[in-house]
Amino acid sequence: KNEVEQSPQNLTAQEGEFITINCSYSVGISALHWLQQHPGGGIVSLFMLSSGKKKHGRLIATINIQEKHSSLHITASHPRDSAVYICALGSARQLTFGSGTQLTVLP
Amino acid sequence: GAGVSQSPSNKVTEKGKDVELRCDPISGHTALYWYRQSLGQGLEFLIYFQGNSAPDKSGLPSDRFSAERTGGSVSTLTIQRTQQEDSAVYLCASSFDRSNEQFFGPGTRLTVL
Repeated sequence: KNEVEQSPQNLTAQEGEFITINCSYSVGISALHWLQQHPGGGIVSLFMLSSGKKKHGRLIATINIQEKHSSLHITASHPRDSAVYICALGSARQLTFGSGTQLTVLP
Repeated sequence: GAGVSQSPSNKVTEKGKDVELRCDPISGHTALYWYRQSLGQGLEFLIYFQGNSAPDKSGLPSDRFSAERTGGSVSTLTIQRTQQEDSAVYLCASSFDRSNEQFFGPGTRLTVL
């Protein structure tokens, strides 16, 4: 069993829709990271969180440590949000990555 | 300010040749990480440096892979006797310290023919 599971694998939405991507994990972590990988391959760190909730613009990330679950929400989605979103478990020395969610937002 | 830079951006090599990939982290970042992403696959951890030391080499796939970091700054990942399965995008990331957000470089796309 993978230490980190993401769902869904693929997600297609219409512009303006509210989007949720889920991440469940089975090991202890120091922090959970949400990353965005653009079609060109570049990776951007969106959030790093160890408890509660963080918000940046239209993006919101939440984590429930007891349930070992995190969600990434995108409000008022836009075609430029189309990318792969990756959940990663942070330990003292490395990141362990989920398989990613391919998000496509249609105009 | 300057982000993480990697060179070359693309490298095509023949099977059996050695290659060196370079990473310049953000100035002042003590932690440096190497990852790779094979075609159609997820990201996998290779090695982590704290300063010039590599306390975790557990992700290196074989003894053909080695890495070093000098002066707490630049790092090189060396792959000896490359094989076709080494073809991947090799990504470097750095962070202020190991408990902070990681900033990723643009990657080096390695193709082994």
